[in-house]
Amino acid sequence: KAGVTQTPRYLIKTRGQQVTLSCSPISGHRSVSWYQQTPGQGLQFLFEYFSETQRNKGNFPGRFSGRQFSNSRSEMNVSTLELGDSALYLCASSFGTGGLNTEAFFGQGTRLTVV
Amino acid sequence: AQSVSQHNHHVILSEAASLELGCNYSYGGTVNLFWYVQYPGQHLQLLLKYFSGDPLVKGIKGFEAEFIKSKFSFNLRKPSVQWSDTAEYFCAPRSSNTGKLIFGQGTTLQVKP
Repeated sequence: KAGVTQTPRYLIKTRGQQVTLSCSPISGHRSVSWYQQTPGQGLQFLFEYFSETQRNKGNFPGRFSGRQFSNSRSEMNVSTLELGDSALYLCASSFGTGGLNTEAFFGQGTRLTVV
Repeated sequence: AQSVSQHNHHVILSEAASLELGCNYSYGGTVNLFWYVQYPGQHLQLLLKYFSGDPLVKGIKGFEAEFIKSKFSFNLRKPSVQWSDTAEYFCAPRSSNTGKLIFGQGTTLQVKP
């Protein structure tokens, strides 16, 4: 059974550019969450999607957005990149609707470096 | 505001020593509790989880955790650590109030052979 797949694994972008990251959940998982991991702030929740709808959102500026497709695959987009956006971006999927009484399975992450 | 706190940021132990990592949360409603581990260069993996029932839960690799509702705590324990336990450990509660899975700041465990 394939795990959560994130692409690309590594990205280098310039300040002001935008970036799109992709996440394919485990087959049968319909809930997808995104996290930003940095040495200073740790793991911070970005947003969660279920059935193509954003169900929860963290405290990030509007430059961070996401979407989910009908096949449960998800993308997140960061516009007008800043140096502080350099981080490991993690995607997690959960079985069915996700939420309480489900566990999240994480992908390897996409390492984004903004120069 | 909902928050989770891990007591130790960096722990150094010798092999065979006992481990206890503290985790406290401030959440209302029904809570699920998780401990995740991130080995160097690897993705986050679930160590153990608590949904309901017996407050003492056992996970992989000899780890266990105890949910103490009155103290809002979910401490991780292992009687005898190994060098291969060197990793970063994250406590993560999920509350029925928000549905979000929120992570503590993490504890880096270094086990000396």
